[in-house]
Amino acid sequence: GAGVSQSPSNKVTEKGKDVELRCDPISGHTALYWYRQSLGQGLEFLIYFQGNSAPDKSGLPSDRFSAERTGGSVSTLTIQRTQQEDSAVYLCASSPGRELYEQYFGPGTRLTVT
Amino acid sequence: GENVEQHPSTLSVQEGDSAVIKCTYSDSASNYFPWYKQELGKRPQLIIDIRSNVGEKKDQRIAVTLNKTAKHFSLHITETQPEDSAVYFCAANSGGSNYKLTFGKGTLLTVNP
Repeated sequence: GAGVSQSPSNKVTEKGKDVELRCDPISGHTALYWYRQSLGQGLEFLIYFQGNSAPDKSGLPSDRFSAERTGGSVSTLTIQRTQQEDSAVYLCASSPGRELYEQYFGPGTRLTVT
Repeated sequence: GENVEQHPSTLSVQEGDSAVIKCTYSDSASNYFPWYKQELGKRPQLIIDIRSNVGEKKDQRIAVTLNKTAKHFSLHITETQPEDSAVYFCAANSGGSNYKLTFGKGTLLTVNP
């Protein structure tokens, strides 16, 4: 079946501009995660959505970062007033349910802020 | 919060040798420890995981061991093959969370033919 998809695959933007990154999780998966992967670093947790529950936003690095998940499916991560330190690969993952289980990752969006 | 340390950061082995990657964690409430493999330019994929009610788990050439007392866990790959070359990440669930993982910084494994 179709896996997790993300768009765009690459995004180059100028410092100070806003960007939107999109994630389409696996159909039926209720859990959705966003991570940031910087060069030589691990996966940094950003935000978690589970069904209709309030999201866990504890990993968002600043108030310039926000995310939504509409209809329990597609999610968008928005970064306002981008900075050079925001350059990274942003990965989305989904998981079937509430308990710890395999996370299925998307291919990521490589964001470059110039 | 949880802190996961992973060593070594790079590892080079000859084809057919074994490879071992070690991780330590700080939160004694952690009870789920997955390992993800990320090939160059690809997405991370789960290769094996272990929960705290067991000390070892095997799947063909890969195995994971867990020492809860010492708060460390290890990935063992036997009879390595060139296709095992990738970055491997360990992780632990934070504070016993049923969803939040803290990842190590990764180990670049190179298997030389």
